[in-house]
Amino acid sequence: DAGVIQSPRHEVTEMGQEVTLRCKPISGHDYLFWYRQTMMRGLELLIYFNNNVPIDDSGMPEDRFSAKMPNASFSTLKIQPSEPRDSAVYFCASSLRPWDTEAFFGQGTRLTVV
Amino acid sequence: GENVEQHPSTLSVQEGDSAVIKCTYSDSASNYFPWYKQELGKRPQLIIDIRSNVGEKKDQRIAVTLNKTAKHFSLHITETQPEDSAVYFCAASEPPMRFGAGTRLTVKP
Repeated sequence: DAGVIQSPRHEVTEMGQEVTLRCKPISGHDYLFWYRQTMMRGLELLIYFNNNVPIDDSGMPEDRFSAKMPNASFSTLKIQPSEPRDSAVYFCASSLRPWDTEAFFGQGTRLTVV
Repeated sequence: GENVEQHPSTLSVQEGDSAVIKCTYSDSASNYFPWYKQELGKRPQLIIDIRSNVGEKKDQRIAVTLNKTAKHFSLHITETQPEDSAVYFCAASEPPMRFGAGTRLTVKP
């Protein structure tokens, strides 16, 4: 397996624009997580899915953020409209059994909102 | 939800010395405690983990201890090398997995 795949690797956008980040988890992993990494707040959990169903979205900062998982091999994180404070590295991770096995991270998407 | 605190935020050691990073967690339901290493510009990668039914685990120069009663766990790196320089994250998983703020370890040659 190629691991968790995220796209794009880098995204630069203007304030107010819509941004869509994409993630392909490892095949067979039933759990998918979206994290945001900043210097100030570290690795924050935004939302996670189990079998394509959102389980906990309490970490989603506000209504401008939304996430979907239409099937077992694809998830999106959308920001609309984007703001400069959304600039961060967004990681997607997947896991087989998150209560006793590791989460595998994608390469991340570095988002810059200008 | 789970809250994980990690100390110190930065740690500088001389090559060959030991390094210790400590974490505490709040939710007694957490039962899996991984440690991730993140090199500059890279993704976090697992270096060692421990489950709640184990008190200590060792893998070459790296060891982790867990005290479930006190809700704290620690990472120990012995004989540090310059390539150990990175940011280290502890995590606690109920699930989901929540991370500490990270420790930037610098190993001086």
